Amino acid sequence: EAQVTQNPRYLITVTGKKLTVTCSQNMNHEYMSWYRQDPGLGLRQIYYSMNVEVTDKGDVPEGYKVSRKEKRNFPLILESPSPNQTSLYFCASSKTPDLYGYTFGSGTRLTVV
Amino acid sequence: AQKVTQAQTEISVVEKEDVTLDCVYETRDTTYYLFWYKQPPSGELVFLIRRNSFDEQNEISGRYSWNFQKSTSSFNFTITASQVVDSAVYFCALSDSSGYSTLTFGKGTMLLVSP
Repeated sequence: EAQVTQNPRYLITVTGKKLTVTCSQNMNHEYMSWYRQDPGLGLRQIYYSMNVEVTDKGDVPEGYKVSRKEKRNFPLILESPSPNQTSLYFCASSKTPDLYGYTFGSGTRLTVV
Repeated sequence: AQKVTQAQTEISVVEKEDVTLDCVYETRDTTYYLFWYKQPPSGELVFLIRRNSFDEQNEISGRYSWNFQKSTSSFNFTITASQVVDSAVYFCALSDSSGYSTLTFGKGTMLLVSP
């Protein structure tokens, strides 16, 4: 089954404790992206990647890092999480986003206390 | 810069009513793509439809229909004879040549369909 898999689905952590949210896709898509969703703000792009070793900032990249060492994986790293990063995170992949849009993962609900 | 506006924050209807969700977009490009996604209470994002800027034909899929009007920069979504299962947050999104890797989303419209 073609899918984007994110882990974990739920995570509660403390301020400053480094964490990684994993994302993997099995569709051989070049494009991958991370979005965060907050009430009243919709979805905002954090980072995206057009291929292996090619990443770029989205609209809200502060406090996040990403890497794309393999085509299928695109982890999101929070080096020092803060409470304002409490949010619902979505990983997405696409063959060509402008033509086909993105296929989204199931989401990761992160709470930073 | 591209922008998507969904002015309706929340809509409540009773089952079997028709409902239209509004989407207005801004872009400087002549070539762009518009999307609708559904987010049910379970949280996942489900792709509903994609339209390119050169195809202004309205589209119907079962109880769903979409009205694309370039003259008013709108891409509205109508659900006919709504059902409780239609309760969800609906997002309109835009992609143009200024950001091939970016979908710009509206803030979403929450639709509540009561029995």
